[in-house]
Amino acid sequence: AQSVTQPDIHITVSEGASLELRCNYSYGATPYLFWYVQSPGQGLQLLLKYFSGDTLVQGIKGFEAEFKRSQSSFNLRKPSVHWSDAAEYFCAVGARGSTLGRLYFGRGTQLTVWP
Amino acid sequence: NAGVTQTPKFQVLKTGQSMTLQCAQDMNHNSMYWYRQDPGMGLRLIYYSASEGTTDKGEVPNGYNVSRLNKREFSLRLESAAPSQTSVYFCASRDPADRRDVTYEQYFGPGTRLTVT
Repeated sequence: AQSVTQPDIHITVSEGASLELRCNYSYGATPYLFWYVQSPGQGLQLLLKYFSGDTLVQGIKGFEAEFKRSQSSFNLRKPSVHWSDAAEYFCAVGARGSTLGRLYFGRGTQLTVWP
Repeated sequence: NAGVTQTPKFQVLKTGQSMTLQCAQDMNHNSMYWYRQDPGMGLRLIYYSASEGTTDKGEVPNGYNVSRLNKREFSLRLESAAPSQTSVYFCASRDPADRRDVTYEQYFGPGTRLTVT
């Protein structure tokens, strides 16, 4: 069965600093991978996704993520964090070939940005 | 194009009361989902529907029922609410899997914040 681990429950960074949020997944084949962001009181917004091809994917708001098959990881990065990036971030995995389209989510990483 | 809409946004129930959470999407998606979000637990799938007329249980279906009324609408019903069902509920939908340009991402509604006292 698929599963997703986000090892960091809470991360604090200073504005302008770089950011890396970790995500490890468990799946028997190459999965579909997603990062979503949730601002307080809001729904989930897709930041980026990986299906195939280039393992470094670019997303919205200056985020990128790298798929590393050997490490079963899909870490999210941003070179310079803005105060507006403070939110909760969720990594998710989906099964290839599944017409049901279920996603399995990690427990989330809460990002705090210091001014 | 409103995307995924959910009503109500907030609801307070007493233990034992019933209610239905409504969800609708205008993107012509076949698949729809109900999740609950609890602090530190991420999103857990309650029920999903791959197409009109079909529904399946997810990870945490106990205490809930669903109806896929038509292609647009997917409702979640709590027959006898319990405090353990206090949560934020999200509805989502997804592109059909048989399209060549399918993206597989799920589109989320704004959520319903439910408190059961």
